[in-house]
Amino acid sequence: DIQMTQSPSTLSASVGDRVTITCRASQSINSWLAWYQQKPEKAPKLLIYKASTLESGVPSRFSGSGSGTEFTLTISSLQPDDFATYYCQQYQGYRTFGQGTKVEIK
Amino acid sequence: EVQLVESGGGLVQPGGSLRLSCAASGFAFSSTWMSWVRQAPGKGLEWVGRIKSQTDGGTTDYPAPVKGRFTISRDDSGKKLYLQMNSLKTEDTAVYFCTTDHFYNSGWAGYFQHWGQGTLVTVSS
Repeated sequence: DIQMTQSPSTLSASVGDRVTITCRASQSINSWLAWYQQKPEKAPKLLIYKASTLESGVPSRFSGSGSGTEFTLTISSLQPDDFATYYCQQYQGYRTFGQGTKVEIK
Repeated sequence: EVQLVESGGGLVQPGGSLRLSCAASGFAFSSTWMSWVRQAPGKGLEWVGRIKSQTDGGTTDYPAPVKGRFTISRDDSGKKLYLQMNSLKTEDTAVYFCTTDHFYNSGWAGYFQHWGQGTLVTVSS
């Protein structure tokens, strides 16, 4: 199975900050990577697919980049609604997720 | 509007069985590939299986932790997705989400576009 590793596990930031989350795959997954946002007691929400394509309706402050084994999710200017946990997920092989990155208020 | 509503969760003893249902509306269910994803309390997300549309063969795929114990099926006329879980273990305790795959670039991609609210399964004696 392809293992996905996110860093950091927790990130403390303030409104207006630029935030970057990294996701590494144990082998090349080309650009077959998605990002999700999850708030407490809610279902995850798809943000980005194919590493950098923004899902319809997702604010443009979210962006994704990378290919192969290293990927990033960037929030250009953190908003109050963005405090949540973020997961990456590969779909090159059997689908696997990263362990999550919690973005909390500094 | 796409709606996915899971039901059937509850408390079950180790070794027991449970069947989850997902009622779908607002999209072309019969042509959509569907998956189940679970989340143990306080933990991350784990894919537990996928079923293709009948026109694409209706075949299923499962990861190792549930293969041979879990079975996904679908009722296209009733717009329902099912997850039959047998030989349940305490580590199967989780919220189970019903999800749709995404049709992208003339094919079904392996990520999850729409999600239900989830149903909690607790495996405990």
